[in-house]
Amino acid sequence: DQQVKQNSPSLSVQEGRISILNCDYTNSMFDYFLWYKKYPAEGPTFLISISSIKDKNEDGRFTVFLNKSAKHLSLHIVPSQPGDSAVYFCAASGMRGGSNYKLTFGKGTLLTVNP
Amino acid sequence: GAGVSQTPSNKVTEKGKYVELRCDPISGHTALYWYRQSLGQGPEFLIYFQGTGAADDSGLPNDRFFAVRPEGSVSTLKIQRTERGDSAVYLCASSPTVGRVRNEQFFGPGTRLTVL
Repeated sequence: DQQVKQNSPSLSVQEGRISILNCDYTNSMFDYFLWYKKYPAEGPTFLISISSIKDKNEDGRFTVFLNKSAKHLSLHIVPSQPGDSAVYFCAASGMRGGSNYKLTFGKGTLLTVNP
Repeated sequence: GAGVSQTPSNKVTEKGKYVELRCDPISGHTALYWYRQSLGQGPEFLIYFQGTGAADDSGLPNDRFFAVRPEGSVSTLKIQRTERGDSAVYLCASSPTVGRVRNEQFFGPGTRLTVL
């Protein structure tokens, strides 16, 4: 049972345009969400996070939006650059129940930014 | 500074053999995690260490899997009687601490295990 779902296996955008990556979750205990980026043969690297007490967090070209009622979050990258081409993982953790250390990941979305 | 390192980067073994995978966390990080990433999937939690002790090993698939962190730094994931289904990338991560302040986890490059 997938608790974190990334329904788009891949996404292709033109350089300079906006990339929107989506993520849905089912577990209402999740209260902290992260996005990781992964290049081939490397480990995932942290990109941006958001707590459930917020609905938006912005860091440079990257913005994460959280819609708690819909159990949905999205990552916006503006403007997209060819170097952003990678697999993006959505991850979630829950403070309640004492398991705030355990990240539950989606399957990832392969983003390709074309020059 | 140095990130999380994992050795070996690749390991090929035969079914039934024993393997050890090593993780060197970022210096000073007290929390250490092991994840497993199968083909086409996201990383899945295996075990979490706070210091020397395994605080949560609920993600270990069965008793063939065991992990240690005897001095609170380097960790070794041990797999006995390997099976073809154990083939995956094993990822290690560390973070400064775990508590009410959320710390992102810093991942190593992983060890790709292939069981023939």
